Amino acid sequence: GAGVSQSPRYKVTKRGQDVTLRCDPISSHATLYWYQQALGQGPEFLTYFNYEAQPDKSGLPSDRFSAERPEGSISTLTIQRTEQRDSAMYRCASGLLGGADTGELFFGEGSRLTVL
Amino acid sequence: AQSVTQLGSHVSVSEGALVLLRCNYSSSVPPYLFWYVQYPNQGLQLLLKYTTGATLVKGINGFEAEFKKSETSFHLTKPSAHMSDAAEYFCAVSDRGGANNLFFGTGTRLTVIP
Repeated sequence: GAGVSQSPRYKVTKRGQDVTLRCDPISSHATLYWYQQALGQGPEFLTYFNYEAQPDKSGLPSDRFSAERPEGSISTLTIQRTEQRDSAMYRCASGLLGGADTGELFFGEGSRLTVL
Repeated sequence: AQSVTQLGSHVSVSEGALVLLRCNYSSSVPPYLFWYVQYPNQGLQLLLKYTTGATLVKGINGFEAEFKKSETSFHLTKPSAHMSDAAEYFCAVSDRGGANNLFFGTGTRLTVIP
């Protein structure tokens, strides 16, 4: 697509429920990143993909968090047994792989998760 | 390990005044450097970036930033603030030749006073 698209834009859930967030990156982009942004903070790295491979998931805060990108395009971030501390904006970004212009990521509008 | 420090979580300037948002980084080698802007209810948008070459880089909307290796800084400036510049600004760094993951500062919210 023309830009990075995330859904849902807003999600309110009860503590203990599972939540899945979706990211549709720019179609030509190999890399896809997930960030968590708490209120008043900058985005913090969760995990990233090179196509369908997931080389780094060191930022995932616990084993309740998982991400997939099975066909190297659309990605999902799933949070199981949500807790109130999971409330945040979840941002997806995509980028090109390699070259002097690496480092520039294109962000979606984010998914704001509120856990009651 | 990479880290980014943005001095001042809130900055207020009068319309037409100079905008200066500060960013210092910590890295073992000079990284790629970025400024992103976040307008209300929108995604992060790239303002400008430094990868190589000229240390003074110009971005969109009249913003510019200068990479100063000796000071490990990448401060963002604009000569004359406009009301539409009110937003949150994030400085970020990434590793050269790495996985282009971005490390963000905590952000600076810019208010422009009419």
